[in-house]
Amino acid sequence: AQTVTQSQPEMSVQEAETVTLSCTYDTSESDYYLFWYKQPPSRQMILVIRQEAYKQQNATENRFSVNFQKAAKSFSLKISDSQLGDAAMYFCAYRGTDYKLSFGAGTTVTVRA
Amino acid sequence: GAVVSQHPSWVICKSGTSVKIECRSLDFQATTMFWYRQFPKQSLMLMATSNEGSKATYEQGVEKDKFLINHASLTLSTLTVTSAHPEDSSFYICSASPLAGLYNEQFFGPGTRLTVL
Repeated sequence: AQTVTQSQPEMSVQEAETVTLSCTYDTSESDYYLFWYKQPPSRQMILVIRQEAYKQQNATENRFSVNFQKAAKSFSLKISDSQLGDAAMYFCAYRGTDYKLSFGAGTTVTVRA
Repeated sequence: GAVVSQHPSWVICKSGTSVKIECRSLDFQATTMFWYRQFPKQSLMLMATSNEGSKATYEQGVEKDKFLINHASLTLSTLTVTSAHPEDSSFYICSASPLAGLYNEQFFGPGTRLTVL
């Protein structure tokens, strides 16, 4: 199984400010997908953003963007203009050739009004 | 978007009984479904992968005889927790993929909270 590491158990951000969540992974594969999922208190997993390993361009979805550094095996998530609804647990995930998702430990994001 | 449902959303049972959790893909056919377990404030741990019409593949450390998985159709997979005990209490989440392949997305169900008394 691949190892996905999220070193920040908790992050706090002021509303309208920016927060960056870190994620590193370990793999020997060349073809893989990386994801960020959001899990709000309802516990429904929501896909935030995904990145194909072969694409050099960083993925962007509205206020969410990633910094994908393939050589460094790093995949950070930036949330811009943070909103109260962004408060949730965020999981970084890796999907390789076995199609299985390996999740990091998660980062709890708190948004201060 | 693709929708995955789970039933029940929560269940309480007595120790020693069996509980069945259903996972359905509502608007697509799922060749592969996954079952995860999540403890409070922890990550999702993959329990098993099921493919329609074949036996499930269990992750290391997951008891096959305790967690029975059946994927009898392209829209339904079931997880049966047999002879449940309090330590089986957890949040169980399923996901489904429309087609097998590296770049196909997994769509998650809303989860089932199991409490064993």
